Amino acid sequence: DQQVKQNSPSLSVQEGRISILNCDYTNSMFDYFLWYKKYPAEGPTFLISISSIKDKNEDGRFTVFLNKSAKHLSLHIVPSQPGDSAVYFCAAWDNAGNMLTFGGGTRLMVKP
Amino acid sequence: EAGVAQSPRYKIIEKRQSVAFWCNPISGHATLYWYQQILGQGPKLLIQFQNNGVVDDSQLPKDRFSAERLKGVDSTLKIQPAKLEDSAVYLCASSPSRGYTFGSGTRLTVV
Repeated sequence: DQQVKQNSPSLSVQEGRISILNCDYTNSMFDYFLWYKKYPAEGPTFLISISSIKDKNEDGRFTVFLNKSAKHLSLHIVPSQPGDSAVYFCAAWDNAGNMLTFGGGTRLMVKP
Repeated sequence: EAGVAQSPRYKIIEKRQSVAFWCNPISGHATLYWYQQILGQGPKLLIQFQNNGVVDDSQLPKDRFSAERLKGVDSTLKIQPAKLEDSAVYLCASSPSRGYTFGSGTRLTVV
């Protein structure tokens, strides 16, 4: 049973345009959400997070939106750059279990 | 701040052989996690330590996988004997609270 799902395995975007990566979850106990970025041959690196008490968090070109009623979050990258090409993982923090549950990842390709 | 260190970076073994991975977390991080990431999938938790005690190992295939964290610092993850389906990247992460810092991972190929 996948509690965190990223339904798009890949996304291709032109440089300078917006990239939107989506994530859905099922567990109402999740109260903190994170996005990680992973380059080949490297471990995932933290990108941005959002608490369940907020609906938006912004950090430079990256914005995460949370819709609690829909159990949906999204990551917006504006403008997209070729260096953003990587696999992006959505993750949810379960306070009861004190651990992260990850989605399957979305491979973003930003074309010059 | 030094990151999470893992070794080796790559390992190729034959099926039925054994292998061990090592992780040194960020100093002061009490919680340590081992994740398995199969190509095309998200990381899956294998085991979680709090200091040197196991918090969650419900998804660890205990017939072949073992892990320990002596003295609440370094940790080792062992597979014995390895199967072809164990080919994956093994990620170690440590955490002071919410959110992790990951190591670079060990890519295991079982042939």
